[in-house]
Amino acid sequence: DAGVIQSPRHEVTEMGQEVTLRCKPISGHDYLFWYRQTMMRGLELLIYFNNNVPIDDSGMPEDRFSAKMPNASFSTLKIQPSEPRDSAVYFCASTKERGWDNEQFFGPGTRLTVL
Amino acid sequence: QQQVKQSPQSLIVQKGGISIINCAYENTAFDYFPWYQQFPGKGPALLIAIRPDVSEKKEGRFTISFNKSAKQFSLHIMDSQPGDSATYFCAARGMDSSYKLIFGSGTRLLVRP
Repeated sequence: DAGVIQSPRHEVTEMGQEVTLRCKPISGHDYLFWYRQTMMRGLELLIYFNNNVPIDDSGMPEDRFSAKMPNASFSTLKIQPSEPRDSAVYFCASTKERGWDNEQFFGPGTRLTVL
Repeated sequence: QQQVKQSPQSLIVQKGGISIINCAYENTAFDYFPWYQQFPGKGPALLIAIRPDVSEKKEGRFTISFNKSAKQFSLHIMDSQPGDSATYFCAARGMDSSYKLIFGSGTRLLVRP
């Protein structure tokens, strides 16, 4: 299996622009998580999906952030409009419901820089 | 708010030494405590995990010690190697079966040759 795939790996944009980050989870996984990692705040959960349905979006910082999962193999995280404080590494992770020891598999991340 | 507090923020160990990273949690409604390892430019990857009904779990050079009464758990890396240099995150998962993890702030480990 190719693992969790994220694109782009790096994104540089200017303040006010729309940014879309993409994720392909591992086939057969029914949970998908979006995280943001910064030096100041560490690894934060933004939102997660179960069977393509958003379950908890309490970590989404503000209305400028939105996430969708139109099918089991694709999810997007959109920031509109972007701001310099959104600069971070965004990770997507997936897991399969199988009991207590389910492992979250992380993608390589997208490093976002908003100028 | 549920929190997991991790220390130290950074750690330098000589090759062959023991690395110890500590975490403490406040909420007792956690049922799964994993440790993730992250190398620069990569996503975190599961290293080892433990359930709260077990006091210790060992996998190779890596051991988790769990103290339920104190609400603390720690990662011990025996015979630390330069290849272990990475950032380590402890985490906890709620009993609500949401599979949602709460991560500690991370410990940057450097193992000197």
